[in-house]
Amino acid sequence: GNSVTQMEGPVTLSEEAFLTINCTYTATGYPSLFWYVQYPGEGLQLLLKATKADDKGSNKGFEATYRKETTSFHLEKGSVQVSDSAVYFCALSDLEGGANNLFFGTGTRLTVIP
Amino acid sequence: GAVVSQHPSWVICKSGTSVKIECRSLDFQATTMFWYRQFPKQSLMLMATSNEGSKATYEQGVEKDKFLINHASLTLSTLTVTSAHPEDSSFYICSASGDITYEQYFGPGTRLTVT
Repeated sequence: GNSVTQMEGPVTLSEEAFLTINCTYTATGYPSLFWYVQYPGEGLQLLLKATKADDKGSNKGFEATYRKETTSFHLEKGSVQVSDSAVYFCALSDLEGGANNLFFGTGTRLTVIP
Repeated sequence: GAVVSQHPSWVICKSGTSVKIECRSLDFQATTMFWYRQFPKQSLMLMATSNEGSKATYEQGVEKDKFLINHASLTLSTLTVTSAHPEDSSFYICSASGDITYEQYFGPGTRLTVT
């Protein structure tokens, strides 16, 4: 079946530190992979996605590469800001190229301190 | 664009009563809406998928008679928790999808506490 395992938090970093949030997945077929972010009091927002192996998704300084050989989609950012404080969810979809039937990780809370 | 709202954001009800949660797409037409449930420190679990004007499709293990979903228009879906019990206390999140890319836009969630 489909599942996502995500690094547990919370994660606390100083501003300008390097961020990695690990995400691995189990899937049948060829899933699409996503990172969603939830800022306080708001709904989940799509941060980035990758639809096939070796694709790199990027947005707002965040990056993640779809690694089929390691079944991973780790989220990275070179220099975090206080405004990046949020909960980050890794997810996969079993509809190729689409976002239906999303399977989520447990979420990782990131707090960035000045 | 692509804003989804939920109401209420927080509700407390007594055991045995019913509570309705609304999910609205504010600036687009949502042909498909999804309802998720999230327990503390756990994943979002898909409860059901609904298409406008059709009956909802429930995931395995979700009681359709307990969690009534109505998607009567392209901008509104409702989830009614009937005869609520303390174990129904949870965070309920809806999402809506309306375009060919199937991207889901999420509401901010509703925290339900049953006493």
